[in-house]
Order: sequence, then C-alpha cells, then structure tokens
Amino acid sequence: NAGVTQTPKFRILKIGQSMTLQCTQDMNHNYMYWYRQDPGMGLKLIYYSVGAGITDKGEVPNGYNVSRSTTEDFPLRLELAAPSQTSVYFCASSPGLGTYNEQFFGPGTRLTVL
Amino acid sequence: SQELEQSPQSLIVQEGKNLTINCTSSKTLYGLYWYKQKYGEGLIFLMMLQKGGEEKSHEKITAKLDEKKQQSSLHITASQPSHAGIYLCGAPLSGTYKYIFGTGTRLKVLA
Repeated sequence: NAGVTQTPKFRILKIGQSMTLQCTQDMNHNYMYWYRQDPGMGLKLIYYSVGAGITDKGEVPNGYNVSRSTTEDFPLRLELAAPSQTSVYFCASSPGLGTYNEQFFGPGTRLTVL
Repeated sequence: SQELEQSPQSLIVQEGKNLTINCTSSKTLYGLYWYKQKYGEGLIFLMMLQKGGEEKSHEKITAKLDEKKQQSSLHITASQPSHAGIYLCGAPLSGTYKYIFGTGTRLKVLA
C-alpha cells in the first residue's frame, strides 16, 4: 500500500513551458485534492475532485487544469508556466467528507519557474 | 470566509523543554486536524479533534480543542530533535468538500 504518490519530486521549468504533475493513490479514495504551499502561506486549494469524472475549482485555480478519468489518478496540468507558479505542490486524498476523514498527503513536487 | 491562524510562526526550543502551538479559527470548527511536515515530505496526520473540550494524546504530544470549538492547542512535552518540523492545523469547511489550513509553525529543537 503506497498511499499517495507524486511525480516528479523536483522540476525546473522555463516561463511558458507546460508540464503535468502526476498524482496516484491506491486507497480507493473518492476525494482528491491539489494544493500549493508557498513559504509562510500555508496550503491553498487549487482543484479538487469528488470522484472519477467530477472536478471543481478551489481557491487558486487560475493557470491550472485537472482531470479525473480514474479513481486512482488526479493529474494537475500547468499550461503556460509563470514565475508565480513557483511553489511546492501537494496532492491529497480522503475516503470521505469532513470531520472523520483526514486527508492523506503525497510527498510533494517542488516546482521552480525561471 | 473561515480562516485558521497559527501562533507562533516559528519556535526554537532546547531539547527537553515543553512547548505549545496554537490554532485559532475565525468561525466554529467542525473538526480540527493536526499535521506534521518534514522538509521534502508530505503532511503526516497526527490527531483529529471533533468535540468541544476534547483532548487527545499520542506519545509526548497532546492536542486540545476548546469548549467553544474555535481554538486548538498542540502541546509537546520534553521535546526531542525528532519533533522538529512544521506543524499545521487543518479543518473541514462545513457544507463543502474543502479543507482549510493554518500557515504553519516551524519548530526547531536544539540538542
């Protein structure tokens, strides 16, 4: 049981390049989330999904896209990378909603846009 | 909108000392999670509190949720270098699929 896995761990992009951050979970969780963590700013929700084929925007969705074709995978796409997207990105999953369902986090992807 | 504020932002303590981290919500909490994060790693779940006045302990870490369910504290007794990291509080937003998080407290324990 690997939990939540993310690839790559590190990436440097040039302005305007595109990339996909991969996230996979093997716990059969319906709920999956993408966050970005900027220094001293906590976690900000980018997108989330409540099941295969269903996604919705979080607090900071601009510049990102997601898809959820399977329960296991929830990739995050950056189309035109900008320096403001330099951050650490975390994927998380949860078996259910709210109080009794804590989130399980991946190890993160550290992205730098130059 | 609901926000979580943590204090202090950073903390340096000598090994063996006790310490407390606070998490204050702008609205009533419907659950509060504490996570620990080490550099280069994801967030590790520590504890979840749900009821007003609830207190939970695991090894040397104790978390409490006040009766009004707007403030939580995380207390570490006899700190060790292994306790170093970033501690974040998180909470589900009532009626949504979303969670919010505090800005984190960076803890350093000097041996």
